[in-house]
Amino acid sequence: DVKVTQSSRYLVKRTGEKVFLECVQDMDHENMFWYRQDPGLGLRLIYFSYDVKMKEKGDIPEGYSVSREKKERFSLILESASTNQTSMYLCASSSDRGQYFGPGTRLTVT
Amino acid sequence: DQQVKQNSPSLSVQEGRISILNCDYTNSMFDYFLWYKKYPAEGPTFLISISSIKDKNEDGRFTVFLNKSAKHLSLHIVPSQPGDSAVYFCAASEGNFNKFYFGSGTKLNVKP
Repeated sequence: DVKVTQSSRYLVKRTGEKVFLECVQDMDHENMFWYRQDPGLGLRLIYFSYDVKMKEKGDIPEGYSVSREKKERFSLILESASTNQTSMYLCASSSDRGQYFGPGTRLTVT
Repeated sequence: DQQVKQNSPSLSVQEGRISILNCDYTNSMFDYFLWYKKYPAEGPTFLISISSIKDKNEDGRFTVFLNKSAKHLSLHIVPSQPGDSAVYFCAASEGNFNKFYFGSGTKLNVKP
């Protein structure tokens, strides 16, 4: 069974703080993704990575950065959190069968 | 502009009846489609997929239909069960699995 884990289920941060969201997958997948899910907007792709140290911008990369130093780990960084980044963040990895998601991190920025 | 659209934000169905969830896409290069199910406070879980070389794929109570000429796919759940109540997302890719495009989701409520 594919397992994708995320470091926190719930997180509360203050405006301006630096926030790290960690994601780990155990299936040796090359592709990993970060999405945010907001009501009525579905899942929107922030960044993805197709190999170690490789990254590509998704549809809404502004205000975010990512890091992929090891194949199994993909980190999402909010350099200076803002209230409009309050959302559910979902990490995924993919094989030729589809994408496998972590449980999500509900981030609230106050 | 969204390339994958789910125009019904919600659907309510009686237990035992058929649930039909619809999805439209605009990019004719999409060749792989998936449906995901999502419960509150959990990540989406893969449900069923279909590639563009097929027009139907069945897995138990779940069947996905693909109409390439209409750029439309649908998910049929028969019979619907209360445990099927969740948000359903459709997604599409161009087959390289580097990027998936998701619809906005349809919240299904199956009433006992």
